[in-house]
Amino acid sequence: GAVVSQHPSRVICKSGTSVKIECRSLDFQATTMFWYRQFPKQSLMLMATSNEGSKATYEQGVEKDKFLINHASLTLSTLTVTSAHPEDSSFYICSAREPRQGINIQYFGAGTRLSVL
Amino acid sequence: GNSVTQMEGPVTLSEEAFLTINCTYTATGYPSLFWYVQYPGEGLQLLLKATKADDKGSNKGFEATYRKETTSFHLEKGSVQVSDSAVYFCAFHSGAGSYQLTFGKGTKLSVIP
Repeated sequence: GAVVSQHPSRVICKSGTSVKIECRSLDFQATTMFWYRQFPKQSLMLMATSNEGSKATYEQGVEKDKFLINHASLTLSTLTVTSAHPEDSSFYICSAREPRQGINIQYFGAGTRLSVL
Repeated sequence: GNSVTQMEGPVTLSEEAFLTINCTYTATGYPSLFWYVQYPGEGLQLLLKATKADDKGSNKGFEATYRKETTSFHLEKGSVQVSDSAVYFCAFHSGAGSYQLTFGKGTKLSVIP
């Protein structure tokens, strides 16, 4: 299957700093990428849909100014957690939609564990 | 609204035991159904899928059949292995034009030798 690379896999930062997470589709072009947040022992919560060349679409309750998403190319989307606080600590996962297969399969990155001190 | 209900875990089985993880969904339209697997410390991997009623998705010995009449997509495997230990997520997207996945809460499976 297609490969999605997410970096970094783990980050620890101080409260008030910003953290950037990258999501790359390695062997296909992804016009649409998704960002999820996963709480311990819970399911994935969709945060936003990232479309190449346009503004991201955020889910209800997700702060746009807090979670900045940029999808500048067909293979890269970034999520920046601005002025991070301990409550932002979580597991963030991206996915990229592979359109060629016809049924819109999403391929997932390995996730980023964010810990805010 | 759209939702997925999975059996709660954790599920602990002995090697070679039969596995069933129940999944039912509530969706508008005609959804495509998926099972994803998450191994420890990793992202999600697509395990299998089905796009229309009575389709059977299968992969690595796992199977699930799209049952529209019962809105279910139960995951089964006849003989589990220790390497199958992971968290399994049932998910769907609602069809043409909708790319968003709705996930269940996940079911953790532990297989012991």
